[in-house]
Amino acid sequence: DQQVKQNSPSLSVQEGRISILNCDYTNSMFDYFLWYKKYPAEGPTFLISISSIKDKNEDGRFTVFLNKSAKHLSLHIVPSQPGDSAVYFCAASARGTYKYIFGTGTRLKVLA
Amino acid sequence: KAGVTQTPRYLIKTRGQQVTLSCSPISGHRSVSWYQQTPGQGLQFLFEYFSETQRNKGNFPGRFSGRQFSNSRSEMNVSTLELGDSALYLCASSFSGSGGQDEQFFGPGTRLTVL
Repeated sequence: DQQVKQNSPSLSVQEGRISILNCDYTNSMFDYFLWYKKYPAEGPTFLISISSIKDKNEDGRFTVFLNKSAKHLSLHIVPSQPGDSAVYFCAASARGTYKYIFGTGTRLKVLA
Repeated sequence: KAGVTQTPRYLIKTRGQQVTLSCSPISGHRSVSWYQQTPGQGLQFLFEYFSETQRNKGNFPGRFSGRQFSNSRSEMNVSTLELGDSALYLCASSFSGSGGQDEQFFGPGTRLTVL
């Protein structure tokens, strides 16, 4: 049972435009969410997080939105840059479980 | 500040052998988690350690085991290797305060190939 789903395996966006990556979850106990970026041959790099007490968190070009009723979160990257081309993973955690459940990733390609 | 280090970076083993992977967390981090990444499967949680205690484990067979030492360094062991164990094994560390919810910092991974 995949509790965290990233239904788009890949996404292509023009440089300078907005990239929107989506993530859905099924476990209502999840209350902390993170996004990671991964380049080939490297470990994932933390991007941004959001707690369930918020519905939005911003950090520079990255904004994460959380819709708890829909069990959906999204990562917006504005403006997109070629260096953003990577695989993006969302992850979710329930307090006290000490584990993160990751989605299968979305490969973002930013075209120059 | 040094990042998470994993050794070795690459490993080739044959079926039936056993393997031990090592992870050194960021200084001051007491939580270490292990993940298996295979194509199309994302990162699958193996187990998490904090102060030498396993606090949670994923749905993997008993052939997968781990431990953490007093200096927070961690090892994971896979016995009786199978072809399906070929994967990238990632280690992540964090402070892991209350509830265990904070940013995890990942190492570069160990690429295990089982022939």
